[in-house]
Amino acid sequence: KQEVTQIPAALSVPEGENLVLNCSFTDSAIYNLQWFRQDPGKGLTSLLLIQSSQREQTSGRLNASLDKSSGRSTLYIAASQPGDSATYLCAVGGTSYGKLTFGQGTILTVHP
Amino acid sequence: DGGITQSPKYLFRKEGQNVTLSCEQNLNHDAMYWYRQDPGQGLRLIYYSQIVNDFQKGDIAEGYSVSREKKESFPLTVTSAQKNPTAFYLCASRIYGTDSNQPQHFGDGTRLSIL
Repeated sequence: KQEVTQIPAALSVPEGENLVLNCSFTDSAIYNLQWFRQDPGKGLTSLLLIQSSQREQTSGRLNASLDKSSGRSTLYIAASQPGDSATYLCAVGGTSYGKLTFGQGTILTVHP
Repeated sequence: DGGITQSPKYLFRKEGQNVTLSCEQNLNHDAMYWYRQDPGQGLRLIYYSQIVNDFQKGDIAEGYSVSREKKESFPLTVTSAQKNPTAFYLCASRIYGTDSNQPQHFGDGTRLSIL
């Protein structure tokens, strides 16, 4: 059974810092890995999707990497801003019907 | 604008009562999903549907039921058999097709509480 773990559970940084969020998974037989953002009381917004054949994806100040063999992914946020404050969720796609297994999330606070 | 609409935003259930959560999408997506989120936890899959008139149990289907009579609609019923229904419920959809590497899109959720 796939298990997904995110470290740290919470992170507080000053504005402008570069930061890394970590995600690990136990079964390397995956289709893809997605990073989501969730604001309080809201649904999820897809940030990046990395296919199993890819090593990384970039969107603006965000860069996500994937190392299937070690069961790890990182989300790098450059030049953090207070508007980046949210919960970040990692999810592993393990089958063709799109089933996702989620980590518990990292609560990020960027203070001015 | 295309998107996923969940209603109501807040819902209260009495003991022994069944309640239904609505999920409608106008993205022309084939697959739809229901997740449950508890405080401090990730999302867990309740049910999913890949096409109309077909749906499958997820990891925590006990106490829940669904229907998929139309492509754009996937309502979730929380039955009285679900003893701990208090949670945040999220609906998602995805283009099914042959490319499994399509992201899921989420609604804004329904928060269910017990009276």
